[in-house]
Amino acid sequence: AQTVTQSQPEMSVQEAETVTLSCTYDTSENNYYLFWYKQPPSRQMILVIRQEAYKQQNATENRFSVNFQKAAKSFSLKISDSQLGDTAMYFCAFMKPLRGANSGGSNYKLTFGKGTLLTVNP
Amino acid sequence: KAGVTQTPRYLIKTRGQQVTLSCSPISGHRSVSWYQQTPGQGLQFLFEYFSETQRNKGNFPGRFSGRQFSNSRSEMNVSTLELGDSALYLCASSFMSYNSPLHFGNGTRLTVT
Repeated sequence: AQTVTQSQPEMSVQEAETVTLSCTYDTSENNYYLFWYKQPPSRQMILVIRQEAYKQQNATENRFSVNFQKAAKSFSLKISDSQLGDTAMYFCAFMKPLRGANSGGSNYKLTFGKGTLLTVNP
Repeated sequence: KAGVTQTPRYLIKTRGQQVTLSCSPISGHRSVSWYQQTPGQGLQFLFEYFSETQRNKGNFPGRFSGRQFSNSRSEMNVSTLELGDSALYLCASSFMSYNSPLHFGNGTRLTVT
């Protein structure tokens, strides 16, 4: 079974600074997907960024980027120029490769870490 | 395009009762998944439906069940509620294509007293 570990229960950063959230995972799969989701107080889980394991290039989305180290099974999230609106719980998540939509089963489920509460201070 | 809609937002039940939660996916999405979120266990996968068929199930007792209708709307049912079932229940939908992520709703906060 896959496990996802986020070792930092809480972190804080000053507005406009950079912060890195850590995530490690354990799997025997060679191909898989990794995600960072953000959950603000509104409770809605919002996709921040995703990475496909077969892609060596680290994903970036505006101020968000990842450092994907496949051999080390590490997937950290870097937030640059932190904004007050970035305050939220951040969850790292793992997903095995998708099977075909018409196959008998489905791998379409996420395994989440416990989350890191990020507070951006003014 | 409307997002994933979950109803109700809040629910209070007593032990032994049963409850039904509803989820309307994004238009065109055929896969609906359910997750339970608690402070102790975090986010745990309950089940996933695609074209009215349950295709994957997490490690939850049989008291937790679900179904999906032909319009892709899904319901989740918990029978004989226990105090430990108090949680935020999140629904997520997806187009189920190669590059399609999960889109989550705002969740239903269930409190069992």
